Amino acid sequence: KQEVTQIPAALSVPEGENLVLNCSFTDSAIYNLQWFRQDPGKGLTSLLLIQSSQREQTSGRLNASLDKSSGRSTLYIAASQPGDSATYLCAVTGGGSNYKLTFGKGTLLTVNP
Amino acid sequence: NAGVTQTPKFRVLKTGQSMTLLCAQDMNHEYMYWYRQDPGMGLRLIHYSVGEGTTAKGEVPDGYNVSRLKKQNFLLGLESAAPSQTSVYFCASSRGQTLAKNIQYFGAGTRLSVL
Repeated sequence: KQEVTQIPAALSVPEGENLVLNCSFTDSAIYNLQWFRQDPGKGLTSLLLIQSSQREQTSGRLNASLDKSSGRSTLYIAASQPGDSATYLCAVTGGGSNYKLTFGKGTLLTVNP
Repeated sequence: NAGVTQTPKFRVLKTGQSMTLLCAQDMNHEYMYWYRQDPGMGLRLIHYSVGEGTTAKGEVPDGYNVSRLKKQNFLLGLESAAPSQTSVYFCASSRGQTLAKNIQYFGAGTRLSVL
């Protein structure tokens, strides 16, 4: 059974700092890995999708990397802003159940002005 | 472009009551999903559909039924609500192309309390 772990569970940083969020998964037979953002009381917004054949994806100040063989992904946020405050979720597709996303429990990020 | 729309946004039920949650998407997506999100548990897949007229069980299907009579709609039903079904329910959809490119788009959620 695929399991996804996110470390740390919560992170508080001052504005302008660069930061890294970590995600690990137990079954490396994945098709892709997605990073989502969830604001309080809201739905999930897809930030980046990395296909299993890719090593990284970039969108603006966000960069996600994937090391499939070791079961790890990182989300790098450059020059953090208070508007980046949210819960960040990592999810993988694969591990035997077609199209099913297995989610981590998320990292709650607070960026202080 | 509305994307994925969930109705209602909030609902309070008494134990034993029934209700239906509606999910509608306007992106012509083939695949649709229902998840529940609980504190400390993360999001878990309840049921999903890979096309009009099809449904399949996810990780936590007990106590729920679904229907996909039209491609754009995916309904989640609770026949006899229980307090354990108190949760936030999210609907998602995706194009259903190759697994590697399967981005899921989520609705805003339905907050359900069962008393």
